[in-house]
Amino acid sequence: DTEVTQTPKHLVMGMTNKKSLKCEQHMGHRAMYWYKQKAKKPPELMFVYSYEKLSINESVPSRFSPECPNSSLLNLHLHALQPEDSALYLCASSQASGSSYEQYFGPGTRLTVT
Amino acid sequence: QKEVEQNSGPLSVPEGAIASLNCTYSDRGSQSFFWYRQYSGKSPELIMSIYSNGDKEDGRFTAQLNKASQYVSLLIRDSQPSDSATYLCAVNLFQTGANNLFFGTGTRLTVIP
Repeated sequence: DTEVTQTPKHLVMGMTNKKSLKCEQHMGHRAMYWYKQKAKKPPELMFVYSYEKLSINESVPSRFSPECPNSSLLNLHLHALQPEDSALYLCASSQASGSSYEQYFGPGTRLTVT
Repeated sequence: QKEVEQNSGPLSVPEGAIASLNCTYSDRGSQSFFWYRQYSGKSPELIMSIYSNGDKEDGRFTAQLNKASQYVSLLIRDSQPSDSATYLCAVNLFQTGANNLFFGTGTRLTVIP
């Protein structure tokens, strides 16, 4: 099973709202990732959690706040977003060590900020 | 600077032909290489991974890796209209205690029936 699930599929929020994106995997992976993807661009790394600890934060604005409650779950808390934050938000997971680092992506959350 | 470069395309091939997608990378420390397929409005789907020099075949797909030339390619044989998608080359590097994928800008492939 190489499934990563994400909820919600679509989200429309105003600039003053607070919302959360959720991601779950049951592949036993210990690395989880958040990416942002704009139209016709490749995914852009936002955060990496390795063994439930934040390893990489790619200079993401503080209005995005990640959380990794356990090895299977990853959240992205959103607050006071801007219209330019509208994008497809992708979660991925992979092994954190060993010889195989294949990342598997979830279906994404299409976020629109109004 | 870690860079992954792909021909941006678009690439059009007739149905049944071989589609050839190319990728170069700048960091010689890279050890893992991947091809993802992304349909419009969908998330990237892993279709091939390759870790050592040479060819790796999986059905109609063949990935080729040449670490000396820092070059990765993907061949799609007997191309089908359902192969029409954007193909992303990705290179893995371990940094700051975690694995990190660096993506090329993608090549848009259209298979013409």
